[in-house]
Amino acid sequence: QVQLQESGPGLVKPSETLSLTCTVSGYSISSGYYWGWIRQPPGKGLEWIGSIYHSGSTYYNPSLKSRVTISVDTSKNQFSLKLSSVTAADTAVYYCARGTSGWSGRYYYYYMDVWGKGTTVTVSS
Amino acid sequence: SYELTQPPSVSVSPGQTARITCSADALPKQYAYWYQQKPGQAPVLVIYKDSERPSGIPERFSGSSSGTTVTLTISGVQAEDEADYYCQSADSSGTVVFGGGTKLTVL
Repeated sequence: QVQLQESGPGLVKPSETLSLTCTVSGYSISSGYYWGWIRQPPGKGLEWIGSIYHSGSTYYNPSLKSRVTISVDTSKNQFSLKLSSVTAADTAVYYCARGTSGWSGRYYYYYMDVWGKGTTVTVSS
Repeated sequence: SYELTQPPSVSVSPGQTARITCSADALPKQYAYWYQQKPGQAPVLVIYKDSERPSGIPERFSGSSSGTTVTLTISGVQAEDEADYYCQSADSSGTVVFGGGTKLTVL
């Protein structure tokens, strides 16, 4: 059974870099799938941050692209998120998730079928 | 880019049918997916590729697509179905978009 677990500081100061790690168990990241990050500000909806393929190809939300880096460490079976120059608006629950992607006829598909439980990150001095 | 539009809330009595819509001009060319999120929990995938149901999801959850609108239908709603529901889509560039979410209230 595939499980994902987020870890990292729960408090980050404004203007600093938020760093989170997602540890995957029950499946080898290097075997396939996409691995991504999604966040949810308090009382608000879901926002996709970005995804990385096991080979290292990355895809980012255009609105966050200038501040986001997602990387993968297959030796540790982990992938990570770095979000720079954070402000209070980056306060949220951050989720990691496995992405399933491909083509079905003429249609591209991408959905997230396994999620971590989420970790709360507060940006405050 | 594009936006996925959902109604903020839907209310239904137990045993009735709930329908939650998600609209966007891009949807005729892209698949849609649905997630259920209960308070304090991570989202759970309930429908993928417009109408496919993952294993373990009750048969009362179904999805359909017509033009620019996709619909999540919950037949015979139960109290445990009260949750927030999010639609999601993705284009071939790899960009993923979520709808704003719909709060389902079981009266």
